[in-house]
Amino acid sequence: DGGITQSPKYLFRKEGQNVTLSCEQNLNHDAMYWYRQDPGQGLRLIYYSQIVNDFQKGDIAEGYSVSREKKESFPLTVTSAQKNPTAFYLCASSMIGQGHEKLFFGSGTQLSVL
Amino acid sequence: GENVEQHPSTLSVQEGDSAVIKCTYSDSASNYFPWYKQELGKGPQLIIDIRSNVGEKKDQRIAVTLNKTAKHFSLHITETQPEDSAVYFCAATTNFGNEKLTFGTGTRLTIIP
Repeated sequence: DGGITQSPKYLFRKEGQNVTLSCEQNLNHDAMYWYRQDPGQGLRLIYYSQIVNDFQKGDIAEGYSVSREKKESFPLTVTSAQKNPTAFYLCASSMIGQGHEKLFFGSGTQLSVL
Repeated sequence: GENVEQHPSTLSVQEGDSAVIKCTYSDSASNYFPWYKQELGKGPQLIIDIRSNVGEKKDQRIAVTLNKTAKHFSLHITETQPEDSAVYFCAATTNFGNEKLTFGTGTRLTIIP
């Protein structure tokens, strides 16, 4: 079954701790994205990548880091510098180019602070 | 940058009735307008989209209309069913693609049986 897999579904972070959220896709998509979702707000872009070994900051990149060592994988690290990390995190992928804008989302990771 | 406003934030309709969700955008260069549906505990799924060279698009019970002059677009769901209950997001972007995609704040639609 093709799709995007995010893990874990729930994650708890202690003060001063870095945590990493996993995102894997088998859709052979070039582009991958990380969004943050807070209650009552739209999705906000954290980072995106259009090619292996390259990624760009989105609107709210501070306190986050990513890597893109493989086409299939785009993990997100929430660092201790992110002072308000509690949110629902969504990973997505898409093809690139006009007519290929459709985003395919994973089921999300709920991150909470202990 | 682009700003997308979405109304209402919550909407309850009787099963079988129609539901309408409205969005306005600020950047006249925006030319692609998708709508995503998010069910509880899941990621959003694209349900319909429209480009600026088209005024209306239909897919079975759902339709989207676009008014470029007024810079607003709307989602219409007819003959609503319980499985339509979800949060709906509108979004807008220019030719620059998903990295410039701006989402509205969402509408929680509840279908009353």
